[in-house]
Amino acid sequence: TQLLEQSPQFLSIQEGENLTVYCNSSSVFSSLQWYRQEPGEGPVLLVTVVTGGEVKKLKRLTFQFGDARKDSSLHITAAQTGDTGLYLCAGTNYGGATNKLIFGTGTLLAVQP
Amino acid sequence: DAGVTQSPTHLIKTRGQHVTLRCSPISGHKSVSWYQQVLGQGPQFIFQYYEKEERGRGNFPDRFSARQFPNYSSELNVNALLLGDSALYLCASSLGRGESPLHFGNGTRLTVT
Repeated sequence: TQLLEQSPQFLSIQEGENLTVYCNSSSVFSSLQWYRQEPGEGPVLLVTVVTGGEVKKLKRLTFQFGDARKDSSLHITAAQTGDTGLYLCAGTNYGGATNKLIFGTGTLLAVQP
Repeated sequence: DAGVTQSPTHLIKTRGQHVTLRCSPISGHKSVSWYQQVLGQGPQFIFQYYEKEERGRGNFPDRFSARQFPNYSSELNVNALLLGDSALYLCASSLGRGESPLHFGNGTRLTVT
């Protein structure tokens, strides 16, 4: 069974601080995605990383895929209150008939003004 | 274009009853996937359908079933409801080809009493 563990589970910070969220597994994934989910809504895709060691930037968010494609990190610079939400990593293994996502345990981020 | 739409948004059922949840994918998307998200956890894969055929099934009991219609909309059925079935049920659609990203609806919040 493929599992994705995220840390920390909860994070409460002040506006302007930096933070890093980790997503770890003992399994290899073809790709890894990061989502943000706000209360009452479905997850919204932020980024997909495919190549081991890949780094992608989305404004103040930096995503990295581990060299062995077993782990990933999300770094937020100068957090804003609008960054508040549940951050989910999700791994997938393409090549089969199913494009199911294996989601991580989630990191709940609260950015205080 | 409209996103993925799910109905109803909220539902309260009693143990032992059955429930049908509905999902309309984004226009042009031929694949629909269902996920269960228990409070405080990441979503778990239930089913994927592509071109009206089941392409994948997660680790859920036979009380859970689904189908996809010729217009690519989908229904998720759950029989003999248990308290533990209380969750947010998310539907996601995609083009269904290879690495096409998933687009999630806002879910149906099911409460079993």
